[in-house]
Amino acid sequence: QLQLQESGPRLVKPSETLSLTCTSSGGSISTSYYSWGWIRQPPGKGLEWIGSMYYSGSTYHNPSLKSRVTVSLDTSKNHFSLKLSSVTAADTAFYYCARQVNRRRFDYWGQGTLVTVSS
Amino acid sequence: QSALTQPASVSGSPGQSITISCTGTSNDVGDYNYVSWYQQHPGKAPKLMIYDVYNRPSGVSDRFSGSKSGNTASLTISGLQAEDEADYYCSSYTSSSTLVFGGGTKLTVL
Repeated sequence: QLQLQESGPRLVKPSETLSLTCTSSGGSISTSYYSWGWIRQPPGKGLEWIGSMYYSGSTYHNPSLKSRVTVSLDTSKNHFSLKLSSVTAADTAFYYCARQVNRRRFDYWGQGTLVTVSS
Repeated sequence: QSALTQPASVSGSPGQSITISCTGTSNDVGDYNYVSWYQQHPGKAPKLMIYDVYNRPSGVSDRFSGSKSGNTASLTISGLQAEDEADYYCSSYTSSSTLVFGGGTKLTVL
């Protein structure tokens, strides 16, 4: 059974870069057919797709965030990462990592981690 | 990209059926059979309930079903149970090779 776990700083200062890692256990992120993605949810609000990356290296992002988002894979450590630059209070949210099938659906999710942007 | 449109809330009594709509455009819902539905209980991660409009992942009750007509997809839950009370989100693949979610619908079981 695949399990995903987010980790990283829970508090980030405005204008700095938010960095999160998602570690996979019970399955390899090198497996073809899957992408690995990030979704966020401001407290009390809806889901927003951030971006995803194929094991092959191609990436795609939410157009509203694209210039600030970097998603990367580290197959040697079986984890993938998110970097979101120039954060503001509006980036305060629960951040989820997830496995994406054929760019279409997320079938396994991490438990989520709350990241707060505040000085 | 604009979020897909869902009703903010729906409600039903135990045993009844409810339907949640998800309206997009010809660039997403209308052009692809790649609509998914997620259930989210408070404090929990979303759970995939329906994918590719109609399909249920293994382990999801057959009380959950999906459909699509034009630019609108729908999730129907039959035989409502107390445990179905949750937030529900739709998502769709788009013509820009991106994903978009709906704003979410809060289901209350009366």
